[in-house]
Formats: sequence, structure tokens, C-alpha cells
Amino acid sequence: QLQLQESGSGLVKPSQTLSLTCTVSGGSISSGGYSWNWIRQPPGKGLEWIGYIYHSGGTNYNPSLKSRVTMSVDRSKNQFSLKLSSVTAADTAFFFCVRSLRGYSQVFDYWGQGILVTVSS
Amino acid sequence: EIVLTQSPGTLSLSPGERATLSCRASQSVSSSYLAWYQQKPGQAPRLLIYGASSRATGIPDSFSGSGSGTDFTLTISRLEPEDFAVYYCQQYGSSPLTFGRGTKVEIK
Repeated sequence: QLQLQESGSGLVKPSQTLSLTCTVSGGSISSGGYSWNWIRQPPGKGLEWIGYIYHSGGTNYNPSLKSRVTMSVDRSKNQFSLKLSSVTAADTAFFFCVRSLRGYSQVFDYWGQGILVTVSS
Repeated sequence: EIVLTQSPGTLSLSPGERATLSCRASQSVSSSYLAWYQQKPGQAPRLLIYGASSRATGIPDSFSGSGSGTDFTLTISRLEPEDFAVYYCQQYGSSPLTFGRGTKVEIK
């Protein structure tokens, strides 16, 4: 059974860079046909797609966040990562790492449990 | 970007009743690229429907999706206690993909 687990700092200061890693188990990140995504959800609010990365390293980011987002993949560790720069309180949210449905890069069938990141001084 | 409007915001129903949830798009969703997710408190969302009407693996046939263009519907034919949750629609026909704000199905 595929599992995804987010890790990283749960508290980030304003203007700093948020860094999260997703560790994939029960399957290989190098398997073709899937995108590896980050989606966030402010507490009590709706979902916002941040972007995805393929095992090849190709990326696609939400234009609203593109200037601040960097995603990377480490196939040797079966991990992918998110960096979000210049954070503000508006970036406080649960962050989910998510795998797409095979052949559908933007339909999401496996989700991590989520990690709460709070932006505060 | 495409804005998805879900209605109603909250649906109060009893177990055994039928639930009908609406998702309306600000522009036509190409190729019916619309998905539905269920989210329970403290949990990640779960994929229910994609391609407007295809059920994801393991989803019971009490869940069905329909629609095209700008109007889509998720129907739960008979509510079970575990179906009370928040439901989100998501379009992936236009970039960037977007989600609706959700419909909460609560116990009456």
C-alpha cells in the first residue's frame, strides 16, 4: 500500500523559506505515469494546488505561487520536496503531499496525512 | 482561472436520505475533467469521482457523478453515517486546476 509522509518545520518566521519533504513508501517515485504534488489547506478553509513534479524533474506550478515555489525530487531517497519562499501569515496551512492517479497528472488518489505549517514570529 | 461554485454550502439530511450536491463552473470544463473528493475532520481528502462520472477504486456505487460543460452533480443515493463530511469538486481541464469551496453534508 502506497504511503506518503510529510516532514519539515511546523513553524516558520515571516519572510523566511518554508521547506517540506515527502517520503514515499510502498512504491517507487521513479514509476512513470504519476505526478507528485503539493496541495495546501488553511485551517477551516478550502484546498489550493501548489504544483507538481515528475520523477524526471519536470515541474508545473500554480501561477499564483510560481514566483515563490521550488520543487525537487530525490529518486535515491524516494522523496520529493517543496520550498516556498518569502512566507507570510497567509501561507499558514496544512500542507499535503499527494500522488496523482496513473495517467491523470491532476487527479489525486493518494494523500499524505498533512502537516500544519504556521507562519509566525 | 476557472472558479467553481458549490451549492449548497451546507446540506442537512438524515441517514438513508439522498444527497444532491452541485458544482457550477465559471467557464466550460473541457472534456468533463471534473473530480469530487470527500474530506472528514482531521483527515486528508479522498478521491471519489473523476472524469465527471468515473468512480475511483473502492468507492461504493452509492456515489455517482454526472454533468458536463459548466454544471456538475455528485449524488449520494442513500446516506450512510460515514458519508457525513465535506465534499469538494475540482476541475483539471484548464490551468491552473482549481477546487470549489466545498459542501458540508451534516446530520439533520
